[in-house]
Amino acid sequence: QKEVEQNSGPLSVPEGAIASLNCTYSDRGSQSFFWYRQYSGKSPELIMFIYSNGDKEDGRFTAQLNKASQYVSLLIRDSQPSDSATYLCAVIGSSASKIIFGSGTRLSIRP
Amino acid sequence: GAVVSQHPSRVICKSGTSVKIECRSLDFQATTMFWYRQFPKKSLMLMATSNEGSKATYEQGVEKDKFLINHASLTLSTLTVTSAHPEDSSFYICSASLSGGTTDTQYFGPGTRLTVL
Repeated sequence: QKEVEQNSGPLSVPEGAIASLNCTYSDRGSQSFFWYRQYSGKSPELIMFIYSNGDKEDGRFTAQLNKASQYVSLLIRDSQPSDSATYLCAVIGSSASKIIFGSGTRLSIRP
Repeated sequence: GAVVSQHPSRVICKSGTSVKIECRSLDFQATTMFWYRQFPKKSLMLMATSNEGSKATYEQGVEKDKFLINHASLTLSTLTVTSAHPEDSSFYICSASLSGGTTDTQYFGPGTRLTVL
């Protein structure tokens, strides 16, 4: 079992709709959770981080964390073509020694 | 804030030469820096963790003599690819975090695209 799992996609969402990206992790003691966006040929950029159970909203983005289910998700409202990218879920586990990245979900917003 | 730079952004070199890549945290002091490589359409692969003033910790399968890492100050880490070969061609990305705590965020540099002929 991978430490951080994501569906590779591609996930195709119509413009203006809500894109839902999901991530599961294996280390139950994980404390910190991150979502990064990576455009093709570019390095990852931080979108959001979340530490506590529940929802965290920032503009069109909402991160949701459920530690009991070991599940973290990212919702993108009013999806735009510029949101088309690969989204990386990342987790700092209980050992806190390093951040573990998922393999990413490719999101495509169709006009 | 939390800006990380990398230099050069792109390098093309001949097989057998060595290439040095610099990673700088511009507006914060980074006690820990990380080096990743990424092949096209593949996920990030952590190569090593670099702490200021100490030896880097390499991931399994990464040759420490091939990929030399120096973290000389709280704002600078360098990766030297020694005797580069075409299979070393990749996108190399560094990241920096403020400290080693559980809640710290990694901020990525823009990456260096290495092509070895």
